[in-house]
Amino acid sequence: EMQLVQSGTEVKKPGESLKISCKGSGYTFTNYWIAWVRQLPGKGLEWMGVIFPGDSTTKNSPSFQGHVTISADKSISTAYLQWGSLKASDTAIYYCARFYPGDDAFDIWGQGTMVTVAS
Amino acid sequence: SSELTQDPAVSVASGQTVRITCQGDSLSNYFASWYQQKAGQAPVLVMFGKDTRPSGIPDRFSGSGSGNTASLTITGAQAEDEADYFCNSRDSSGDHWVFGGGTKLTVL
Repeated sequence: EMQLVQSGTEVKKPGESLKISCKGSGYTFTNYWIAWVRQLPGKGLEWMGVIFPGDSTTKNSPSFQGHVTISADKSISTAYLQWGSLKASDTAIYYCARFYPGDDAFDIWGQGTMVTVAS
Repeated sequence: SSELTQDPAVSVASGQTVRITCQGDSLSNYFASWYQQKAGQAPVLVMFGKDTRPSGIPDRFSGSGSGNTASLTITGAQAEDEADYFCNSRDSSGDHWVFGGGTKLTVL
């Protein structure tokens, strides 16, 4: 079964750093882009950026550029989303999703990681 | 423009047909994909390309597009179709993606 499994819920304070993960299985992880998507409480989906695990090429939304870092470790089929200094406004659910180029769509989604940033 | 616009909310009587639309300049060049998100769950791909359903998606879901507008139609809506629906497509650069604001579908 093809799936993406994300790391668990995080509760952090403003200014702290954080790295959440997304592990792929059931398919060749290095062959497909992985996207990160933010969902603020009660709001819609926002595309943050993508990474190609095969060579770690990234494409980042200008809205998130400079505040988060997308990376991957192909040896363990895992993609990451990282913050150097969290803000309260980063409180959200973060999803990873596989991009399938033949469909030009995000066909497999992780279960989401809830991140709460509060003092 | 890199934006995709959706109606915030739509309602349909059970068994009737509903169309959810998505407008954006980039849709003249790229197909939209559609995602269903039920309360407390991750999004699920329900439509992509010209009119293609992933395996497991009921055939009451169909897709279409014309000019800068893409549509997701549910023919014979069921109670289990009540959810938020998001469209997605590439932006005008072709190198980034953008989601519409989402449409909350209520099945009466």
